[in-house]
Amino acid sequence: GAGVSQTPSNKVTEKGKYVELRCDPISGHTALYWYRQSLGQGPEFLIYFQGTGAADDSGLPNDRFFAVRPEGSVSTLKIQRTERGDSAVYLCASSLGGSGEQFFGPGTRLTVL
Amino acid sequence: AQKITQTQPGMFVQEKEAVTLDCTYDTSDQSYGLFWYKQPSSGEMIFLIYQGSYDEQNATEGRYSLNFQKARKSANLVISASQLGDSAMYFCAMREWGFNFGNEKLTFGTGTRLTIIP
Repeated sequence: GAGVSQTPSNKVTEKGKYVELRCDPISGHTALYWYRQSLGQGPEFLIYFQGTGAADDSGLPNDRFFAVRPEGSVSTLKIQRTERGDSAVYLCASSLGGSGEQFFGPGTRLTVL
Repeated sequence: AQKITQTQPGMFVQEKEAVTLDCTYDTSDQSYGLFWYKQPSSGEMIFLIYQGSYDEQNATEGRYSLNFQKARKSANLVISASQLGDSAMYFCAMREWGFNFGNEKLTFGTGTRLTIIP
């Protein structure tokens, strides 16, 4: 079956621009997670959705970052006024319920020039 | 303090040998889970093995086993009979529940780059 997919695979933008990153979880998975992985580091948690609601957004670095999951399936991570420090790979994961194994997507590599 | 510590930034191992990747963790919770993920150059995180804090037996999955030493707060990954395809980054991660079973985020270490030599 289809795994977690993320689009685009690569995104290059200029400082100050707005970007949207999309995640399609595995069908039927109610839990969805966003992580950010900087070069040479492990992934860092950003936000976790259970259904349509954000159950934990404690990892969002500041108010330029926002994520939605309006129908409990696809999620979009939105970054306003991008900064060079936002450059990283953004990983999405999903799981059956909140405590199941997390399946990761291939990531979106964001480069802010 | 770091919640997950992986002290080996890189390792080189001869094909067919066993390899141990170190992981120590820091938590005051009684309920937690420990995970190992593999990240090949393609970038996707692949789940390998899980150990719950209350599991009395060490977890095993095929060639992977987790050497869980609760008192030492270590959860080392052992790969037996290494193969060329095992070359990748390996991350140890923890999920803490404590009294909050809604805490589902994973905290990752900085990883170990494993290279298998033919």
